[in-house]
Amino acid sequence: RKEVEQDPGPFNVPEGATVAFNCTYSNSASQSFFWYRQDCRKEPKLLMSVYSSGNEDGRFTAQLNRASQYISLLIRDSKLSDSATYLCVVNMDMEYGNKLVFGAGTILRVKS
Amino acid sequence: GAVVSQHPSWVICKSGTSVKIECRSLDFQATTMFWYRQFPKQSLMLMATSNEGSKATYEQGVEKDKFLINHASLTLSTLTVTSAHPEDSSFYICSASSLDARLAGRSSYNEQFFGPGTRLTVL
Repeated sequence: RKEVEQDPGPFNVPEGATVAFNCTYSNSASQSFFWYRQDCRKEPKLLMSVYSSGNEDGRFTAQLNRASQYISLLIRDSKLSDSATYLCVVNMDMEYGNKLVFGAGTILRVKS
Repeated sequence: GAVVSQHPSWVICKSGTSVKIECRSLDFQATTMFWYRQFPKQSLMLMATSNEGSKATYEQGVEKDKFLINHASLTLSTLTVTSAHPEDSSFYICSASSLDARLAGRSSYNEQFFGPGTRLTVL
């Protein structure tokens, strides 16, 4: 079983739509959680952290359910520029430092 | 935010040659640097973690004699792919983190700042 699992998509949505991505992780000892965005042939960029209380950053809302080991990302009013691959990422503290474990990503395509 | 550069951005080499990739933190001192590899349509996989001045810690399944990592200073780490073969063709990405609290940013964890990646093609 993969440590972090995501639906690969692609999710094809029109501009203005609301879209939700889900992610599950297997290691209950995971410390912190994130959503990253990766554009084609580029490095991943931190989109937002995910907290149990839920957090919002503009059109983006992230949620964590530790009991179910489940993470979500909601994007409202999708823009063309939101088209990218969204990576669910789990951080684990190791003896030698942080270890980020990445999901394979969910592809989003926003079309006009 | 903190800036990390990689050089080269892409490289094509013949099978059997060695390739060196540099990762530099430009405006901060990186206590720890990480090397990842990403094959097409797959997730980033951590290859190794290196702390300045000490030996790198390799992930299970990554050959330390094939992927040589040197982290000689707080701003530079190098990854050398020795005797590269076509199956080593991939996107190699480094990241760097610091204990500098000024870089804590939006999250409470020790954020990793990613380089732009190096695309390696072995013929």
